[in-house]
Amino acid sequence: RKEVEQDPGPFNVPEGATVAFNCTYSNSASQSFFWYRQDCRKEPKLLMSVYSSGNEDGRFTAQLNRASQYISLLIRDSKLSDSATYLCVVNRRDSNYQLIWGAGTKLIIKP
Amino acid sequence: EAQVTQNPRYLITVTGKKLTVTCSQNMNHEYMSWYRQDPGLGLRQIYYSMNVEVTDKGDVPEGYKVSRKEKRNFPLILESPSPNQTSLYFCASRPRGTGGFYEQYFGPGTRLTVT
Repeated sequence: RKEVEQDPGPFNVPEGATVAFNCTYSNSASQSFFWYRQDCRKEPKLLMSVYSSGNEDGRFTAQLNRASQYISLLIRDSKLSDSATYLCVVNRRDSNYQLIWGAGTKLIIKP
Repeated sequence: EAQVTQNPRYLITVTGKKLTVTCSQNMNHEYMSWYRQDPGLGLRQIYYSMNVEVTDKGDVPEGYKVSRKEKRNFPLILESPSPNQTSLYFCASRPRGTGGFYEQYFGPGTRLTVT
């Protein structure tokens, strides 16, 4: 079983719709959680950190459920420019806090 | 401009021919790392360095070497490349800190093909 698992998609969603991604992680000692965005053939870039109480940044909302060991990302009112791959990232506390990366979920927003 | 640079961006080479991919950052970050990205597998860490002269193996170090003689540079060396090292490689840096709370900054990637 992978340490961080995501649905690979692709998610094909009409513009303006709401889309949700989930990510599960296996290391219960993890303490830092992130969503990164990666455009095709480009480098990943931080979208948002995920805090225990949940956090929102404009149209994006991230949630953490430690008991069930999953993280979610919600995108409201999706735009064509949201098309990308979304990477779930978790730190590995017992190994110099290395980051473990999910394989990503591909999102395609259609006009 | 704060950035991580990698060179070359694209490289096609043959099995066994030694190569080096350079990585440099201008943000005075202590921590640097190399990843490879393959379809369906996500980013996998090859090596990382928490400071000058300090390097450690990541999850997939076999077939790679690194060095950290200066804070800004972290080259990746493939002594004898093989076709299974065909991949997209990213260098990244961040402030050292603990807990992995800091954002990682990535270079633009190096697409390597070994024939």
